[in-house]
Amino acid sequence: DAGITQSPRHKVTETGTPVTLRCHQTENHRYMYWYRQDPGHGLRLIHYSYGVKDTDKGEVSDGYSVSRSKTEDFLLTLESATSSQTSVYFCAISLVKDSSGGAWEQFFGPGTRLTVL
Amino acid sequence: GQSLEQPSEVTAVEGAIVQINCTYQTSGFYGLSWYQQHDGGAPTFLSYNALDGLEETGRFSSFLSRSDSYGYLLLQELQMKDSASYFCAASGNTPLVFGKGTRLSVIA
Repeated sequence: DAGITQSPRHKVTETGTPVTLRCHQTENHRYMYWYRQDPGHGLRLIHYSYGVKDTDKGEVSDGYSVSRSKTEDFLLTLESATSSQTSVYFCAISLVKDSSGGAWEQFFGPGTRLTVL
Repeated sequence: GQSLEQPSEVTAVEGAIVQINCTYQTSGFYGLSWYQQHDGGAPTFLSYNALDGLEETGRFSSFLSRSDSYGYLLLQELQMKDSASYFCAASGNTPLVFGKGTRLSVIA
């Protein structure tokens, strides 16, 4: 258990409203990630962070922003939610285990199911 | 770009052996990981191969051939609880990239 929590766990919102999802970890891990999971698409990376205030875009970053002002919290914001953003969102942390930087073992939070009407 | 290909569905009988294949195209490839996800749950890490060959962890084994850009997950003595989705994921000089997943159904 890597001590990862996500809030809220479920949310229903309307198109055009802002939404913020929170990922919280208790073990001071440096690397954090936000994924979305949709049927037929597997896990797709939205944004990731390699330290406080250090973030970068992933494969499907359009329409999303992130912030990391503290090591333990990684926030994902949908500035103006659209129906295409209805999905299950997972936060993850990774443990970098060797000098190559290979971060192959990720621990996932329980997920947030977001529905945009 | 980076991509991984794996079968979308596999069905196998309880007690049997099943192999889930994964081919990848990844720049700066480090290694191949496997994750399991039960319906309604979060993905959980199963195994990792950085070197060619077979890694065994209990009933699960994972294989990598870097020259063929190919790997597989082998599940032995299948149990009903092994019914889940299995994802291969490649680590490289970018964050982990996941395949679309293989849904394994174990039948009696």
